[in-house]
Amino acid sequence: IAGITQAPTSQILAAGRRMTLRCTQDMRHNAMYWYRQDLGLGLRLIHYSNTAGTTGKGEVPDGYSVSRANTDDFPLTLASAVPSQTSVYFCASSRSGTGANTGELFFGEGSRLTVL
Amino acid sequence: KNEVEQSPQNLTAQEGEFITINCSYSVGISALHWLQQHPGGGIVSLFMLSSGKKKHGRLIATINIQEKHSSLHITASHPRDSAVYICAVRSNTDKLIFGTGTRLQVFP
Repeated sequence: IAGITQAPTSQILAAGRRMTLRCTQDMRHNAMYWYRQDLGLGLRLIHYSNTAGTTGKGEVPDGYSVSRANTDDFPLTLASAVPSQTSVYFCASSRSGTGANTGELFFGEGSRLTVL
Repeated sequence: KNEVEQSPQNLTAQEGEFITINCSYSVGISALHWLQQHPGGGIVSLFMLSSGKKKHGRLIATINIQEKHSSLHITASHPRDSAVYICAVRSNTDKLIFGTGTRLQVFP
């Protein structure tokens, strides 16, 4: 693994199903983020984690949950998918989430999710 | 009004032209990021800056903290520069705020 990896790259899902998007980084970054990208809108933060063991809500958290059991992994779960969750999801990381020295942003390749 | 505004939204250019993309923001920041996203592709960090100017190859990024403005310049543009360029700021409250992007197409 080099950098930040997301899986799956693409998924079609029936409404009501549970889905977990995986995100792994090997840079020992403290901060990790999940964004969704929709046409005409900027990246919107779903959830974030500034360090292993802690998570926080972003601007569009409803219907999503995350966990941060260790530094490397930050999975995003849709407990019961709805069509409005059709989007491209990006996981990202940075050295830190707070303070003056947060470092560059690194993004995964994205996961395209379609909920029917 | 969005806290991060980019202009133009869309830009077309001929190969070899000098290109400027602008980003204005309305909050206090600790850093500003320029990102690149190719069609159907992932997002790559081009620059992170908090003052002055940075250069990487044909790309130059500048920031004026007093005016709350940053520019991304591409010299001698090439069709492979065609992408969406995204400006993002990290606010003083550690919030990352993204612009909606500038779509650039460079024609041979």
